[in-house]
Amino acid sequence: ILNVEQSPQSLHVQEGDSTNFTCSFPSSNFYALHWYRWETAKSPEALFVMTLNGDEKKKGRISATLNTKEGYSYLYIKGSQPEDSATYLCAFSNDYKLSFGAGTTVTVRA
Amino acid sequence: NAGVTQTPKFQVLKTGQSMTLQCAQDMNHNSMYWYRQDPGMGLRLIYYSASEGTTDKGEVPNGYNVSRLNKREFSLRLESAAPSQTSVYFCATDRGLNGYTFGSGTRLTVV
Repeated sequence: ILNVEQSPQSLHVQEGDSTNFTCSFPSSNFYALHWYRWETAKSPEALFVMTLNGDEKKKGRISATLNTKEGYSYLYIKGSQPEDSATYLCAFSNDYKLSFGAGTTVTVRA
Repeated sequence: NAGVTQTPKFQVLKTGQSMTLQCAQDMNHNSMYWYRQDPGMGLRLIYYSASEGTTDKGEVPNGYNVSRLNKREFSLRLESAAPSQTSVYFCATDRGLNGYTFGSGTRLTVV
């Protein structure tokens, strides 16, 4: 069992504001770090897969950074919109299976 | 979700009953996975199959069995359902650097 922790568990953000949250994972035997977006009543959808220390990925207003040496990743949402409301999962792999964190639930208030 | 089909979507079982959750993918991926999702606990790996003909236990395998029938299909069986197995079950395949593709989930209630 790989310990993947996400914080905070939930957050509320005003529409138009930016926010970020953290995923921490074991720093040894790193293979990949995934981020998923999970809307209510749907299935998780992949946002990013990062494999290299210092990786930065961006998709629209959402971006992520990776520090494998210290075992953390940040997800950033710039200019939050109501459609960004979802649970964001990170998942760590040291081989070919993923261990997921419990997620950060983001609620964007109009 | 495109490419991964799970059936059924909903199921209610009585304690002690058995059932099989079906998963099929049309993306020709080698690796397939079964996860369960419980409130506050995230997704936990039950079993996985790295390739056709192989299966391995994940984090929470007790009470479950799996079959990788062929490259397309990976089924999860509950031999004697227990209330602790009430959960939402997701099947997934691995797209490598594009992440996992998940099925739409099966919501199982054991009474």
